[in-house]
Amino acid sequence: NAGVTQTPKFRVLKTGQSMTLLCAQDMNHEYMYWYRQDPGMGLRLIHYSVGEGTTAKGEVPDGYNVSRLKKQNFLLGLESAAPSQTSVYFCASSLGLSSNQPQHFGDGTRLSIL
Amino acid sequence: ELKVEQNPLFLSMQEGKNYTIYCNYSTTSDRLYWYRQDPGKSLESLFVLLSNGAVKQEGRLMASLDTKARLSTLHITAAVHDLSATYFCAVDIAPNNNDMRFGAGTRLTVKP
Repeated sequence: NAGVTQTPKFRVLKTGQSMTLLCAQDMNHEYMYWYRQDPGMGLRLIHYSVGEGTTAKGEVPDGYNVSRLKKQNFLLGLESAAPSQTSVYFCASSLGLSSNQPQHFGDGTRLSIL
Repeated sequence: ELKVEQNPLFLSMQEGKNYTIYCNYSTTSDRLYWYRQDPGKSLESLFVLLSNGAVKQEGRLMASLDTKARLSTLHITAAVHDLSATYFCAVDIAPNNNDMRFGAGTRLTVKP
């Protein structure tokens, strides 16, 4: 049972490059989330999705785009990477609020922008 | 502006001692979560608190929620080294309950 899988685990980019982070879950969860974690701070929500084909902005959405074409996958894109986007990115999924269940997190992607 | 404040941010304890971590939040929320994170690892769910007065316990950890005071506590009883980790509280923001806010985390170190 893989749970929430993030790829890649590490990546180094140059300023201005683009990339996509992939999150896949095998728990048939409706909700999926992308967070970033910076030193000394908690997780900040970037974007989330409450179902296939839907996305919404979180607390810090600027500079990122997302897509949820399939229920099990949630993609996070950086169109033109900036050093301020150096962070650890976590994906999470959950059954939904009515289930009163917590989010399940992936292992994170460590992204450095030079 | 929504704020989720944890204190203390850093906590060094001796094994066998008790201590409490506090989580204050500034807006209405229907749910409060506690998570644990080990260094370089992902987040692990500890508790989900759903209503005023809710109390949950797992081993040496006990969490409670006071929605009127907008306060949750995580109490550690007779700490052991294995509890060393960073603990986060998180709330979902009513009425848009899909939007989550995390506290900055409390880094706990338990010394022998």
